[in-house]
Amino acid sequence: EAAVTQSPRSKVAVTGGKVTLSCHQTNNHDYMYWYRQDTGHGLRLIHYSYVADSTEKGDIPDGYKASRPSQENFSLILELASLSQTAVYFCASSGDNYEQYFGPGTRLTVL
Amino acid sequence: AQSVTQPDARVTVSEGASLQLRCKYSYSATPYLFWYVQYPRQGLQMLLKYYSGDPVVQGVNGFEAEFSKSDSSFHLRKASVHWSDSAVYFCAVRTNSGTYQRFGTGTKLQVVP
Repeated sequence: EAAVTQSPRSKVAVTGGKVTLSCHQTNNHDYMYWYRQDTGHGLRLIHYSYVADSTEKGDIPDGYKASRPSQENFSLILELASLSQTAVYFCASSGDNYEQYFGPGTRLTVL
Repeated sequence: AQSVTQPDARVTVSEGASLQLRCKYSYSATPYLFWYVQYPRQGLQMLLKYYSGDPVVQGVNGFEAEFSKSDSSFHLRKASVHWSDSAVYFCAVRTNSGTYQRFGTGTKLQVVP
């Protein structure tokens, strides 16, 4: 069954530490996305990618890096985690029909 | 820039009553529009989409939405809600470049007995 999985499902990080969130899809989709969800803001796009080894900035890229080593895998990297990056992070993939398929989310708490 | 507005942060409806969740979009051409649902502690799932043609589109679980170019709206409707419809609903619009979507802030629907 086609799916988008994320790991870890939850994480507690310290301020200034490095955090890597991973996403894996079996949809054979070219596009992959990272969003963050905060109360009152809905989903906001951080980075996206339409091909392996290439990433693009979304609407709120500051403080985040992304890596797409293969079609199936897409990582979000917080080099220096900050309190303001506490949120739920969602990965999604889509194909040519623009429909997005979401993972279950990663709840990140930065202390 | 393309965007969507969901003016109602919370909506409470009695079970069996009809539902309308509002969505207004900002777009220079004919947009691609979507509605997604998010159940507690889960990711988003697409309910329905509009690309062109008949302005009323049908989705899963009895949901439908109507596109209006004159009103710049894409409201979601359901004739009779069930308690299991309690969730957060997001409207989204595809950007001009076609490479990603922008989401509204969501409407939390609570269905009460």
